[in-house]
Amino acid sequence: SQQGEEDPQALSIQEGENATMNCSYKTSINNLQWYRQNSGRGLVHLILIRSNEREKHSGRLRVTLDTSKKSSSLLITASRAADTASYFCATDAGIQGAQKLVFGQGTRLTINP
Amino acid sequence: GAGVSQSPRYKVTKRGQDVALRCDPISGHVSLYWYRQALGQGPEFLTYFNYEAQQDKSGLPNDRFSAERPEGSISTLTIQRTEQRDSAMYRCASRPGDRGSGGELFFGEGSRLTVL
Repeated sequence: SQQGEEDPQALSIQEGENATMNCSYKTSINNLQWYRQNSGRGLVHLILIRSNEREKHSGRLRVTLDTSKKSSSLLITASRAADTASYFCATDAGIQGAQKLVFGQGTRLTINP
Repeated sequence: GAGVSQSPRYKVTKRGQDVALRCDPISGHVSLYWYRQALGQGPEFLTYFNYEAQQDKSGLPNDRFSAERPEGSISTLTIQRTEQRDSAMYRCASRPGDRGSGGELFFGEGSRLTVL
């Protein structure tokens, strides 16, 4: 079963604009990760945020985590055509010793030139 | 190797046949994961290993699916008596550490299975 649920399912914006995607999850977690997938290729890790962190930056990416609301957001600033991809959040089960990463259904992002 | 390698990249089989999908993780990676991904959906967890031990197989759909990693490196996902509903992209991923290390997964390009 999927733990994370991304919102929106699809997002289309103009190049240069900012893109925000949200992820909600159900159980307690140790960390939350975001991945990108281009056109059915393999998933590529973008960023990891731990449960004791509230915000993290990496280049044009900004991730927030609100454990009280069980939600996370991924912000891509100054979007580029190359950012067109599907984006997935993934959470661990949060149970001691459990390490399986459970992925959401993803947000399909389209950047229009 | 430099990355996670999966073979075959494409497999077309007839209903009722058995298939074996292979994953060669990044050298030295302790944990290995199998996922299944339908078109337009997120990866669905199947099973994972730490070294040669299968830690969690709760995602395997039924007893036609099995996986092994006998020497703690290469893994094989086997589907017996394939059915059309088994058609999907099967993805393998590995990561360096085991318990407590968290960390990113490194994915292979996947094996696309089509059952006719």
